[in-house]
Amino acid sequence: EIVMTQSPATLSVSPGERATLSCRASQSVSSNLAWYQQKPGQAPRLLIYGASTRATGIPARFSGSGSGTEYALTISSLQSEDFAVYYCQQYNNWPPYTFGQGTKVEIK
Amino acid sequence: EVQLLESGGGLVQPGGSLRLSCAASGFIFTNYAMSWVRQAPGKGLEWVSGISGSGVSAYYADSVKGRFTISRDNSKNTLYLQMNSLRAEDTAVYYCARYASGTYYSYFDPWGLGTLVTVSS
Repeated sequence: EIVMTQSPATLSVSPGERATLSCRASQSVSSNLAWYQQKPGQAPRLLIYGASTRATGIPARFSGSGSGTEYALTISSLQSEDFAVYYCQQYNNWPPYTFGQGTKVEIK
Repeated sequence: EVQLLESGGGLVQPGGSLRLSCAASGFIFTNYAMSWVRQAPGKGLEWVSGISGSGVSAYYADSVKGRFTISRDNSKNTLYLQMNSLRAEDTAVYYCARYASGTYYSYFDPWGLGTLVTVSS
């Protein structure tokens, strides 16, 4: 099973600032990596797939990067609606599909 | 518009059973593999099970293997999760999610709103 580790657990950022979230896989996932956003009481929403492709309707301030075992999600200028929990997920080696434990982006 | 709507959650005693349903609309259901993903209260996401578009193949997380059964009725555009021998640790919101590309080599998009299962005496 591939273990996904996200850091930091919590990121405190001021609106308008840049945020970078990290996700590390225990072995290469060959860019078969997705990022999701989840707000309280809501279902996860797909942001990024293939490590760097934005899903339909996702603003350009969200970008994904990385390869092999190291990946990042960058939010270039945080808006109020971006404060949420973000999860990475690998779909290269399954079952099981595995998620990181999440990074909470909170208002500083 | 693609929509997934779960139902069937509720309170059940340890050792009991429950069947979840997920009604799908807005896409050709049989063309897509489907999955269940759960989230315990205050915790992260855990993939539970997936099933192919035809229903011929299915996969399970070790934590539910032998207790849960995933199935689908393509004539009704509905996905199911039969949960037996339920444990307290199965308490979670259960989400239905579509494999975005249709096959197992895919991420999940979209997700349903979820249904809460509580296992407690």
